[in-house]
Amino acid sequence: GQQLNQSPQSMFIQEGEDVSMNCTSSSIFNTWLWYKQEPGEGPVLLIALYKAGELTSNGRLTAQFGITRKDSFLNISASIPSDVGIYFCAGDGGTSYGKLTFGQGTILTVHP
Amino acid sequence: KAGVTQTPRYLIKTRGQQVTLSCSPISGHRSVSWYQQTPGQGLQFLFEYFSETQRNKGNFPGRFSGRQFSNSRSEMNVSTLELGDSALYLCASSATSSPDTQYFGPGTRLTVL
Repeated sequence: GQQLNQSPQSMFIQEGEDVSMNCTSSSIFNTWLWYKQEPGEGPVLLIALYKAGELTSNGRLTAQFGITRKDSFLNISASIPSDVGIYFCAGDGGTSYGKLTFGQGTILTVHP
Repeated sequence: KAGVTQTPRYLIKTRGQQVTLSCSPISGHRSVSWYQQTPGQGLQFLFEYFSETQRNKGNFPGRFSGRQFSNSRSEMNVSTLELGDSALYLCASSATSSPDTQYFGPGTRLTVL
């Protein structure tokens, strides 16, 4: 079945630093989504990507849909303490109703 | 627009019992998907409903079931609970025209003792 490999598993950074994380898949995806989850809450959608090569920004966040359709990355610029959380990539292969395949998550810790 | 709501937020049950969780999607969304989240397995897809019909099902035993009502609200039921069913259960809704851009609720934390 489809699998997503997300890296790194965790990051410890200083406030103000830039962050980069990525996901790779063994299969092609039609849609890539990036979510952030905080303790005790559900994942919150950050960015949605629908086309190969697409580069989309949301404030300090930038994400890209890889040309091969098998990868995506998320960058966070000038990190702040409230960026702390778990970031997940998710992909939709377009062949399975309502099913997103999720990466294992990147745990981000930001030191003030 | 109000987001996805889930009730209850927390549940404690004992082995062998059954449980029903509820999800109300974003107004106008007709697709509801359910996921189980555990530290070991991450987010795993349970099933998806659209217009009261289950269109897709993940690899979970038959003890896990669901349904959707005409107002798009959805419920999932787990019968004969096992310790391993302890997890955060998340539902997500999406609009029919969107290629699976899913918006998640806060989840129901189920603990099985």
